[in-house]
Amino acid sequence: GAGVSQSPSNKVTEKGKDVELRCDPISGHTALYWYRQSLGQGLEFLIYFQGNSAPDKSGLPSDRFSAERTGGSVSTLTIQRTQQEDSAVYLCASSLTSAKDVRSGANVLTFGAGSRLTVL
Amino acid sequence: LAKTTQPISMDSYEGQEVNITCSHNNIATNDYITWYQQFPSQGPRFIIQGYKTKVTNEVASLFIPADRKSSTLSLPRVSLSDTAVYYCLVGGLSGGYNKLIFGAGTRLAVHP
Repeated sequence: GAGVSQSPSNKVTEKGKDVELRCDPISGHTALYWYRQSLGQGLEFLIYFQGNSAPDKSGLPSDRFSAERTGGSVSTLTIQRTQQEDSAVYLCASSLTSAKDVRSGANVLTFGAGSRLTVL
Repeated sequence: LAKTTQPISMDSYEGQEVNITCSHNNIATNDYITWYQQFPSQGPRFIIQGYKTKVTNEVASLFIPADRKSSTLSLPRVSLSDTAVYYCLVGGLSGGYNKLIFGAGTRLAVHP
């Protein structure tokens, strides 16, 4: 697609419910990132997918959070047993990492509009 | 991973030039410096990227000294629409692995 698409744009759920957030990256982008942004705060790194390599899950805040990327394209971030502190905007970004030479430039991230999660 | 430090906030007035400096003392040889802009209720968007010296595009300039331990984003003649949060990000190819960590960003307020 022309840009990074995220769905749903807004999700209101009750504490304890599971939610799934979807990210459809730009076609051909091999890297995909998930970030979380609480109100008025910066971006908190959650997870990073790079091609067929094992994802870097070092930013996931607890084992209630998981993510997968199927076929190297669409990614789903799942939050189980949601808590009120999970309320935030979840941002997905993708980038092209085909350059093999530092002089060719580094990753430029294209972000989606985000999924705003509210846990009541 | 290179950590970045930026001022938390800055104020300016329409028509002025704004310079936002980012410190990244442990930048690695392969790391590039990229700046993003974020408006409320939107994801960040790319502004400019550089490796060394000076880079200029239609919206900004990026100045990087020889030691690359800092960088300065320069916005010429800001307008009210430049009010946003600006993030400095350091990262590079490093063999293809590129975990990108954002700092707290600089909240720029442009006043009439």
